This record gives sequence, C-alpha cells and structure tokens, in this order.
Amino acid sequence: QVQLVESGGGLVKPGGSLRLSCAASGFTFSDYYMSWIRQAPGKGLEWVSYISSSTTTIYYADSVKGRFTLSRDNAKNSLYLQMNSLRAEDTAVYYCARGNRGTLVQGLHPWGQGTLVTVSS
Amino acid sequence: DIQLTQSPSFLSASVGDRVTITCRASQGISTYLAWYQQKPGKAPKLLIYGASTLQSGVPSRFSGSGSGTEFTLTISSLQPEDFATYYCQQLNSYLALTFGGGTKVEIK
Repeated sequence: QVQLVESGGGLVKPGGSLRLSCAASGFTFSDYYMSWIRQAPGKGLEWVSYISSSTTTIYYADSVKGRFTLSRDNAKNSLYLQMNSLRAEDTAVYYCARGNRGTLVQGLHPWGQGTLVTVSS
Repeated sequence: DIQLTQSPSFLSASVGDRVTITCRASQGISTYLAWYQQKPGKAPKLLIYGASTLQSGVPSRFSGSGSGTEFTLTISSLQPEDFATYYCQQLNSYLALTFGGGTKVEIK
C-alpha cells in the first residue's frame, strides 16, 4: 500500500541545520508532486513547500524561503527537506504528503506519520 | 497570499447532530478546495477535494459544497469517530497552498 515514512527530526540549536527525509513506497514516486507541511505544538497546519514530479517547480512558504531547500531523488523514491538557520518558531511536527500526478488540485493524500523538529538552546 | 478563514473555530455537538463548518477564502479559488480531518496525535486525512468530491473510503455522511469564496463541510449525522479537528486548504494558488485555522469538533 502507499506509505510515506519521515525521518531526520530531532533537537537542534537555533541557527543549526537539519535534513528531513521522506521515504515513499507503494506507488510510482516519480509521477507525483510531493509536499511538506508542519504543525507547531498545539497549533494548526502550515504548508511549507512542494515540488513537482520532475523538480522543475518548487515553491516555499514565505516563512521558510531562503532557509529551507526541498529536493527529491526519484531513483531512491525519496523526498528531502534541508533546513538551515533554524529558529525556535520552526519547532513543529513535519509531515510529508503526496500530491497528485502532474498537479496538486486533488489535495494531499496520504500523509506520513510526521517527524518532530525541536529548535531550542 | 490567499487567506482562508474557518468558522467556527470550535463547536460542541452530540452524536447524531448535523454539523456544518464554513471556510471563506480571501479571493476566489473556483472549486480548488480540500478538507482534512485530524485526530489527536495523528496525521491529517483527506476527506474531500475539488470542494465536493469525496475521497475514496470516506463515509458518505461527509459532504462538501461551495465555489468561489465560500465553502462548507457538512457531517449529516455526527458519529463518535468524527470528533476531531477539520481543516480546509486552498489549492488554487500554486504560490502558497494555505490552510484554514481549523475547527475542533468536540462532544457535547
């Protein structure tokens, strides 16, 4: 079945870096848009970034632009989020989610279980 | 960026109640709207996309409607497993796929 498994979260000091990974299985990864969404403790969902199937299109939320870099390796069925210059307000559970073939208009499904990133000194 | 405003942010209801949640967009988004359900400690789950298309496997008591700037999610007869937080998301502007603030549905 379709599965997304995030990894790479943890505790990092302000100004530090972390790289999240999302391992995909059960579908043709290279056909699908992919996205990261985060949720700060006790807060709502915040879209972070998405990438097209061929990596030609990548967009970021203003809150992470210039600090986060999204990439994918279609040969390894994996999605990556490189997070630099981390701030306390980046503390959240980070979810990866699958978009659609060639588009995002049909929503994000499924989602991974999430990985917790804590930015604190 | 397109802003989404959900109302109410919290509602208390009983099993069997009909529940309606509203999502308003700051500008027209056609029918490029999705609804998600999130239970505590779990990842969100897609319920509806295209404003009114039910995701496969989602019970038919869930329905969505609307276009342009005003959308609704309706649960026709609330079940115990429906107590959760619901979010809308716009998929019209590819520049930023914003979410609404969420509506928490609790047991009365």
